[in-house]
Amino acid sequence: QQQVKQSPQSLIVQKGGIPIINCAYENTAFDYFPWYQQFPGKGPALLIAIRPDVSEKKEGRFTISFNKSAKQFSLHIMDSQPGDSATYFCAASKGFFGAGTRLTVKP
Amino acid sequence: KAGVTQTPRYLIKTRGQQVTLSCSPISGHRSVSWYQQTPGQGLQFLFEYFSETQRNKGNFPGRFSGRQFSNSRSEMNVSTLELGDSALYLCASSLAKGFEQFFGPGTRLTVL
Repeated sequence: QQQVKQSPQSLIVQKGGIPIINCAYENTAFDYFPWYQQFPGKGPALLIAIRPDVSEKKEGRFTISFNKSAKQFSLHIMDSQPGDSATYFCAASKGFFGAGTRLTVKP
Repeated sequence: KAGVTQTPRYLIKTRGQQVTLSCSPISGHRSVSWYQQTPGQGLQFLFEYFSETQRNKGNFPGRFSGRQFSNSRSEMNVSTLELGDSALYLCASSLAKGFEQFFGPGTRLTVL
């Protein structure tokens, strides 16, 4: 039973585009929703996180949008760069991760 | 501040053997969690330790075990290795009550 569903599996955008990655969860007890970025050969690194009492959070070029009633949240990357090419994971609370999205930003 | 360190970084074992992986958390972090990462299953939670006690456990067989020492360092053990145990094993540390996790680089285990 997958607690957090993430889509798409992979995403290719041009430099400057705005990739959007979506996640959905079932358990309403979850109260912390982080996004992680992982480069090949490295462990995941926390990118940005949100609590369910907030509908949007921005940190630099990264924005989380959160819809509590729909139990969905998404990551937007503004002005994407080739250096953003990585795998992105959404998560809920501490131990529940989405399957990951491999993002490729073409120059 | 030094990050989370994991040793060894790479390991090759054969079926039936056992293996022990080590994790040193960030100084001051008392919670350590372990994850298995595979291309097909993504990141799956193994267990979490806090103050030398297992606080949470994922859905893995009893062949997977762990422990935490008084200095917060943690080890995980896998006995009777199977081919399907080949994976990247990640350790993450966090403050006692914090959800923010900091991951180590992982140990790549290959079972032949």
